[in-house]
Amino acid sequence: SQTIHQWPATLVQPVGSPLSLECTVEGTSNPNLYWYRQAAGRGLQLLFYSVGIGQISSEVPQNLSASRPQDRQFILSSKKLLLSDSGFYLCAWSDSYYNEQFFGPGTRLTVL
Amino acid sequence: GESVGLHLPTLSVQEGDNSIINCAYSNSASDYFIWYKQESGKGPQFIIDIRSNMDKRQGQRVTVLLNKTVKHLSLQIAATQPGDSAVYFCAEISGTALIFGKGTTLSVSS
Repeated sequence: SQTIHQWPATLVQPVGSPLSLECTVEGTSNPNLYWYRQAAGRGLQLLFYSVGIGQISSEVPQNLSASRPQDRQFILSSKKLLLSDSGFYLCAWSDSYYNEQFFGPGTRLTVL
Repeated sequence: GESVGLHLPTLSVQEGDNSIINCAYSNSASDYFIWYKQESGKGPQFIIDIRSNMDKRQGQRVTVLLNKTVKHLSLQIAATQPGDSAVYFCAEISGTALIFGKGTTLSVSS
């Protein structure tokens, strides 16, 4: 069966510090991968999606970036965090655009 | 901006009641819809989906209804239980990604 992992589960970082969140998927190959952010009490906002190694599409321009160095690895990064980057970050995978997405457990990021 | 929204941000029901959570969408070209359940501090969990060639689909204790004429989607939960308390999101396929609504918080009291 397929599983999706995210780490760390929680993170507290100072403003201006770098960020690296990692997501890995097991039990499938060539998945579509997604990064979402969820602000407190709000819906999910798609940040990036990837259909293959090295292929990244950005949905929202901001100081975050994403990379996919391996087929089942998706990384969310920032060089300098802002207070507004605080939120719950979710990674998801699907086997195509037109099927359901399966979500990881999420990372709670607090920027102070 | 978001093309999917929910009518009510919160819904409170008694244990054993049936719950109905509503969602309106704006893109008439959308052909795939999903309901997700998100418990506090966890990622969204798939509940049920429906494609535009259907108007009803049933799962275990849940039913999704799709009315394409008025672009309305609903999730019905039968015999609601305390474990059903969560935020429920509807989502539609728009282009190459899912677009999520803002969510309805379902609170079930015993």
